[in-house]
Amino acid sequence: GDSVTQMEGPVTLSEEAFLTINCTYTATGYPSLFWYVQYPGEGLQLLLKATKADDKGSNKGFEATYRKETTSFHLEKGSVQVSDSAVYFCALKTNAGKSTFGDGTTLTVKP
Amino acid sequence: EPEVTQTPSHQVTQMGQEVILRCVPISNHLYFYWYRQILGQKVEFLVSFYNNEISEKSEIFDDQFSVERPDGSNFTLKIRSTKLEDSAMYFCASRVTGEGEQYFGPGTRLTVT
Repeated sequence: GDSVTQMEGPVTLSEEAFLTINCTYTATGYPSLFWYVQYPGEGLQLLLKATKADDKGSNKGFEATYRKETTSFHLEKGSVQVSDSAVYFCALKTNAGKSTFGDGTTLTVKP
Repeated sequence: EPEVTQTPSHQVTQMGQEVILRCVPISNHLYFYWYRQILGQKVEFLVSFYNNEISEKSEIFDDQFSVERPDGSNFTLKIRSTKLEDSAMYFCASRVTGEGEQYFGPGTRLTVT
């Protein structure tokens, strides 16, 4: 079945550091890929997405590129801020409609 | 911007009681979903619903769970006899088509005591 594997957390960085959160997937067909962010006590917010190979999703300084050859969708940001502290979920959606989520990676950014 | 809404934001219930979690999907959306997130764990798919019937369900979605679209706007999740392990955040989601972007609601935190 479909699955998403995220790098284990938690991740702790200093402000302005470079962020990478790895995500790889297994899926039949051609999934769409997503990163969601969950701030403390809140729901899921779509951060960015990519619907086909080589697409790059970007939002709020975050980027991720859909790499079919490595089945990956790593999240990156060049300079993190304290306000980026949250849990980040990688997810995929196939044409069947439902989403499959990774375990989530907790990011803490210290001033 | 249209959004998915859920009520209540927090529900506390005693073990064995029935609960109904309510969702109002975006008005022109046709596909509806429920997901669950136990505290500190991943978001898990429960059920998808289209054309007034369940299109897919996970192994979590047993006979204690049911979904309904009682009118043209609400989409509900009922748990007949809650257990302690049902304590979780429940997210509703909807999309226009099966391939379209999925929009999540803010979630209902269910606490079973």
